[in-house]
Amino acid sequence: EAQVTQNPRYLITVTGKKLTVTCSQNMNHEYMSWYRQDPGLGLRQIYYSMNVEVTDKGDVPEGYKVSRKEKRNFPLILESPSPNQTSLYFCASSWGEQGMESTDTQYFGPGTRLTVL
Amino acid sequence: QKEVEQNSGPLSVPEGAIASLNCTYSDRGSQSFFWYRQYSGKSPELIMSIYSNGDKEDGRFTAQLNKASQYVSLLIRDSQPSDSATYLCAVLDNYGQNFVFGPGTRLSVLP
Repeated sequence: EAQVTQNPRYLITVTGKKLTVTCSQNMNHEYMSWYRQDPGLGLRQIYYSMNVEVTDKGDVPEGYKVSRKEKRNFPLILESPSPNQTSLYFCASSWGEQGMESTDTQYFGPGTRLTVL
Repeated sequence: QKEVEQNSGPLSVPEGAIASLNCTYSDRGSQSFFWYRQYSGKSPELIMSIYSNGDKEDGRFTAQLNKASQYVSLLIRDSQPSDSATYLCAVLDNYGQNFVFGPGTRLSVLP
């Protein structure tokens, strides 16, 4: 089954304790992206990756890191989490070629609800 | 700062009516436009994508794009209670890299 998986689905942690949220896709997609969703603000892009070893900042990258060492995996790293990073996080992937319905449609993972105390 | 705005909700319509959802965007170079539906506690799922000016129909859904006015809309005909969800408008920049989402419009279809 074609899917995007995220782990963990729920995480409660404390300020300053490094954490990683994993994201994996089995569709051989080139484009992967991380979003956070907060009430009233919609989805905001954190980082995206056009391909292996190619990453770039989205609209809200502060406090986050990513890596893309393999095509299928795109982990999100919070080196020193703070309470303002409490949010619902989504990973998404697509083929990455814009302008075509079959290639720029994003498929979302199930989400990770993170609480930083 | 690229922005995507949507009509504020919540929007309530009776079952069987037409629901109209609107979206404007600031980046004139944007080429790809999307409507996603998100049920509470779930991840967004694509309803429609549109790339050219005009209308695009898929079942009960019609997306409309007007690039000159920087405006995208979604019409839902014969609304059903199962259509009750938050609808997200998304715009992909001209480089095909940066997605910008609107804040969403919550739709309630009343039986």
